[in-house]
Amino acid sequence: EAGVAQSPRYKIIEKRQSVAFWCNPISGHATLYWYQQILGQGPKLLIQFQNNGVVDDSQLPKDRFSAERLKGVDSTLKIQPAKLEDSAVYLCASLGLLEQYFGPGTRLTVT
Amino acid sequence: DQQVKQNSPSLSVQEGRISILNCDYTNSMFDYFLWYKKYPAEGPTFLISISSIKDKNEDGRFTVFLNKSAKHLSLHIVPSQPGDSAVYFCAASVGSSNTGKLIFGQGTTLQVKP
Repeated sequence: EAGVAQSPRYKIIEKRQSVAFWCNPISGHATLYWYQQILGQGPKLLIQFQNNGVVDDSQLPKDRFSAERLKGVDSTLKIQPAKLEDSAVYLCASLGLLEQYFGPGTRLTVT
Repeated sequence: DQQVKQNSPSLSVQEGRISILNCDYTNSMFDYFLWYKKYPAEGPTFLISISSIKDKNEDGRFTVFLNKSAKHLSLHIVPSQPGDSAVYFCAASVGSSNTGKLIFGQGTTLQVKP
């Protein structure tokens, strides 16, 4: 089966610019997650969706980050405006029967 | 507040020997623990898990041990192979499955030398 798809794979922007990431989960997976992984740290959950509803967004910096999953399939994560500390890999994952399947991530560099 | 800690950033072992990766946690509410493996430029992939009602789970060359009283878990890889070279993350969740919020450690980079 096809894995979790993410695009773009790499993005370089200047601070105060905006950026969006896209994720397409494995077909049929109702639960989708966005994680932020800063260099030298483990992934940190930003938001969890069940179909098109938000289950947990307690660690999403809502003043600058937003995410949506309008049709309960693919999802976008947006940062506006970006800060230097947002430089990280943004991972999308979807939940199968027993485990979370991760995409390859989008590496964001904010200069 | 680092609830899950992997205190060894890196580990180097010889091919064929045992690799032992360690993880400590502070939240006694965690009751499901997982190990993920990550190669460069790829997302983490699930390796093995253990429920808090067990103290050991084995899958081929990989065994996870859980010591609840010490709030400590470890991953043993025997025998280690060069293809095992990767970053290993331990993770924990409240709840009895993988569906909840996962808290990850910082990761340990394992290098297996031929």
